[in-house]
Amino acid sequence: GQNIDQPTEMTATEGAIVQINCTYQTSGFNGLFWYQQHAGEAPTFLSYNVLDGLEEKGRFSSFLSRSKGYSYLLLKELQMKDSASYLCAVSDSNYQLIWGAGTKLIIKP
Amino acid sequence: EADIYQTPRYLVIGTGKKITLECSQTMGHDKMYWYQQDPGMELHLIHYSYGVNSTEKGDLSSESTVSRIRTEHFPLTLESARPSHTSQYLCASSEPGDREETQYFGPGTRLLVL
Repeated sequence: GQNIDQPTEMTATEGAIVQINCTYQTSGFNGLFWYQQHAGEAPTFLSYNVLDGLEEKGRFSSFLSRSKGYSYLLLKELQMKDSASYLCAVSDSNYQLIWGAGTKLIIKP
Repeated sequence: EADIYQTPRYLVIGTGKKITLECSQTMGHDKMYWYQQDPGMELHLIHYSYGVNSTEKGDLSSESTVSRIRTEHFPLTLESARPSHTSQYLCASSEPGDREETQYFGPGTRLLVL
């Protein structure tokens, strides 16, 4: 079957760095997405990886290893507004997104 | 980034009622999706569409229907609402060739069935 695993919850301190991991097993692979979702709101697109390596975008970076079925989202210089759920999703062979349950990130002052 | 709208944002109805959740997007995207999401849980695909007159079933489609008469409009209908339908419903759209079909979401409809 298809499966996306990510930690349920993580806590970090304002100004620090946090890494949110995601492992996946899917039928086919056409890229991996990270979305941010604030409580009660819709997901918003953060990043997309289809080749191995690190993609950097401001304070956020995303890494992919296709051979290991592994990705992480790295958030630097954490701000209180980064408190949200972070969803990992993989595009399968039919370009359908398989979603993880999300990692709830709690930022403490 | 896509502009995508959903109405109503919140809805409270009684069991057995027929309801239609509206979704419209102004970007001319061909593909549209409906998801159901419970708090703290993953998104489940209900229906999707490749374009006008195309509708496909997802994982949770058995109790709802969709139509795609116009590119910009993708309504979801529950024929007979039940308490188990209480959830958040998210509409999304994407365009082939755009970063492998990055999906852009509407604000969601929160449904409570009493």
